[in-house]
Amino acid sequence: AQKITQTQPGMFVQEKEAVTLDCTYDTSDQSYGLFWYKQPSSGEMIFLIYQGSYDEQNATEGRYSLNFQKARKSANLVISASQLGDSAMYFCAMREGPFFISNFGNEKLTFGTGTRLTIIP
Amino acid sequence: DADVTQTPRNRITKTGKRIMLECSQTKGHDRMYWYRQDPGLGLQLIYYSFDVKDINKGEISDGYSVSRQAQAKFSLSLESAIPNQTALYFCATSDSNRAPLHFGNGTRLTVT
Repeated sequence: AQKITQTQPGMFVQEKEAVTLDCTYDTSDQSYGLFWYKQPSSGEMIFLIYQGSYDEQNATEGRYSLNFQKARKSANLVISASQLGDSAMYFCAMREGPFFISNFGNEKLTFGTGTRLTIIP
Repeated sequence: DADVTQTPRNRITKTGKRIMLECSQTKGHDRMYWYRQDPGLGLQLIYYSFDVKDINKGEISDGYSVSRQAQAKFSLSLESAIPNQTALYFCATSDSNRAPLHFGNGTRLTVT
């Protein structure tokens, strides 16, 4: 089974609208971390937001928020008031714990296949 | 200047050639990683290192080797390049296994 599933290969959204990018994950660990990265057409990977499995509040960073539903194993990224510069590939990723020890499982960041977001002016 | 610098940015090489991709960082992080990105497959971990004496294989290490020359430098080698190693390669750093990865700008490698 895929560890990280992003079911939307591509999305088109009107500028200034909010957009939700879906991410579901599969793990049997109680301790894990979820990350979202943005990859513009220039190719670099930009960290956006992090959610720990034990965090009680949904993470927010400026216009980005993470809709974390632990029981459903989903960690959707919400971008409010989208801008043309938001057009990019977006990747959801997971690290599995426990984090107080270090092993391959919790060093490896497992990525989904990404969602290409296009903002329409 | 970028915190994580990869050289070269682009490289075209022929099948069978040995090539090295280099990565240096100024973030002071102990953990360094090499990832490979193929279209439609996300990123896959090749190797990772905690320090100059601790290097570990990732999920797709066959055909690759690495060297951690210093805390700030981590290079990836393809001993005998093959066309299916054509990909975008990323170096990344982190200061803990809870923290996000900080990526370099990537090296686009084409093997003909």
